[in-house]
Amino acid sequence: GENVEQHPSTLSVQEGDSAVIKCTYSDSASNYFPWYKQELGKRPQLIIDIRSNVGEKKDQRIAVTLNKTAKHFSLHITETQPEDSAVYFCAARDNFGNEKLTFGTGTRLTIIP
Amino acid sequence: DVKVTQSSRYLVKRTGEKVFLECVQDMDHENMFWYRQDPGLGLRLIYFSYDVKMKEKGDIPEGYSVSREKKERFSLILESASTNQTSMYLCASNYLDSIYGYTFGSGTRLTVV
Repeated sequence: GENVEQHPSTLSVQEGDSAVIKCTYSDSASNYFPWYKQELGKRPQLIIDIRSNVGEKKDQRIAVTLNKTAKHFSLHITETQPEDSAVYFCAARDNFGNEKLTFGTGTRLTIIP
Repeated sequence: DVKVTQSSRYLVKRTGEKVFLECVQDMDHENMFWYRQDPGLGLRLIYFSYDVKMKEKGDIPEGYSVSREKKERFSLILESASTNQTSMYLCASNYLDSIYGYTFGSGTRLTVV
């Protein structure tokens, strides 16, 4: 089955700086890669996703890049703000006709004012 | 707005008890999922279902079973609760072949004593 590794497990950045979280996946057939943000005590929320036919996607201050050859994808947050503090999860979906997501272990991002 | 509702936010059960965790979604989603979330381990898939009365094992099904008698409801059953099942349980759903990610419930924090 799919295996997703996520790094780093914790990340602290100064407000206004950029943050990058990286994930690798094992199954070359995976075709969909979402990122979820989970604020303290709340449910995970989808913030951005990318499909295997696209190399990069942006939405305001967040972007995701995908390198299919190397089987890794990354989340980039620019101009970080205190409200970006949360746990971020990457995930990968296989290509076998179901919607099962395999998640990474999470990154706790702390924005230092 | 899609709603995924988990019946309990917090539960405390005794070792050996049979425990039912309920999840209901109101958007006619075909797919429903149960994950458990543990610090440092991310979200791990227990079971999922893509149709009424259909179920598939996830990555950690041992000690759990599920029931899906109606499309909107997906129940997770701990046949005989054990302390190592103390965790946060998250339900999620989405449409078959959805271009969107999951919608998660708010979670049930289960403590087995």
